[in-house]
Amino acid sequence: SQQGEEDPQALSIQEGENATMNCSYKTSINNLQWYRQNSGRGLVHLILIRSNEREKHSGRLRVTLDTSKKSSSLLITASRAADTASYFCATDAVGANSKLTFGKGITLSVRP
Amino acid sequence: DTEVTQTPKHLVMGMTNKKSLKCEQHMGHRAMYWYKQKAKKPPELMFVYSYEKLSINESVPSRFSPECPNSSLLNLHLHALQPEDSALYLCASSQFGGGGPRSSYEQYFGPGTRLTVT
Repeated sequence: SQQGEEDPQALSIQEGENATMNCSYKTSINNLQWYRQNSGRGLVHLILIRSNEREKHSGRLRVTLDTSKKSSSLLITASRAADTASYFCATDAVGANSKLTFGKGITLSVRP
Repeated sequence: DTEVTQTPKHLVMGMTNKKSLKCEQHMGHRAMYWYKQKAKKPPELMFVYSYEKLSINESVPSRFSPECPNSSLLNLHLHALQPEDSALYLCASSQFGGGGPRSSYEQYFGPGTRLTVT
């Protein structure tokens, strides 16, 4: 079953703009993770935020987590054409034995 | 070395063939995973090995048979597949498995094997 649901499903922005992607989930979690996937390739881990954390930064990435609303957002600042990819949120639900459940994904296009 | 390798990159097989997908990591990770991903869909978990023991089988058909010969290697044996099994098969590893708030680890993915069943 789908745990994480991202929105929007597709996002197109100009290089240099910020991109914000949202993820909602249904059950209690240990952590929430964001991954990037370039077309037809493996996933790359971007950032992990634990259930007791509210905000985390890594380079141009900022992730927030609101466990009361069961939602997370990923902000990519000063986007680059190389950020063009699919982005997935994945939840490690309580009691799921480290099983990650992925959302449907967001397709981000950054126009040069 | 933070790399997960998978071979082959591409595989075309008939419905009567037997083939194997291979995955290797040398990061000392103790949990390894197989995922199946169809085009424009998220990865779907198939199997999890934790400390070389199968810990999760997501009701995968028996024509897929996983094997974990040692802590660095993971195989997926394929037999009598159907055309709908055509997909990208991804291997991943993480430092530990087992769940719980203290085992929050990211997964490292390989580049995948693109499988076509004819």
